[in-house]
Amino acid sequence: EAQVTQNPRYLITVTGKKLTVTCSQNMNHEYMSWYRQDPGLGLRQIYYSMNVEVTDKGDVPEGYKVSRKEKRNFPLILESPSPNQTSLYFCASSLKDLVHEQYFGPGTRLTVT
Amino acid sequence: DAKTTQPTSMDCAEGRAANLPCNHSTISGNEYVYWYRQIHSQGPQYIIHGLKNNETNEMASLIITEDRKSSTLILPHATLRDTAVYYCIASDNYGQNFVFGPGTRLSVLP
Repeated sequence: EAQVTQNPRYLITVTGKKLTVTCSQNMNHEYMSWYRQDPGLGLRQIYYSMNVEVTDKGDVPEGYKVSRKEKRNFPLILESPSPNQTSLYFCASSLKDLVHEQYFGPGTRLTVT
Repeated sequence: DAKTTQPTSMDCAEGRAANLPCNHSTISGNEYVYWYRQIHSQGPQYIIHGLKNNETNEMASLIITEDRKSSTLILPHATLRDTAVYYCIASDNYGQNFVFGPGTRLSVLP
């Protein structure tokens, strides 16, 4: 089954404790993105990747890092999480370019206290 | 990317067609119109996209006006499972800063 998986699905952590949210897709897609969703602000793009070792900043990249060492994986790294990073995070992948027919993961709900 | 405006919410009777409008008056020639939907807090789901011609797939139809300043997503026979937030996005296919606005909350009523 074609899918994008994210782990963990729920996470509560404390300020400053480094964490990684994993994202994996099994569709051999070149393009992958991370979004965060906050009430009243919609979904905003954090980082995107057009291929292995090719990443770039989206709309709200501050406080986040990403890496793309393999085509299937695109982890989101929070080196020093802060409460304003409490949000619902989605990973997405697509085949033709960044936006055509994106497949989204189920989401990761992160709370930073 | 062009800004889009959508009604905040709409209701539709089950079995009837749902017509969701979107205005994108500043859209540029190389920008597509994309529609996604999000059910509760699940990951958004791609529905359809188009450039200037009308498009149809198994989920919906997309009607784009000739001047491309607005479009309408049509769900031909809405079901309760179509209750969701529907997002209209205008973007070129590079897609950086692909922005989901507040969308339209569609409620399909029995």
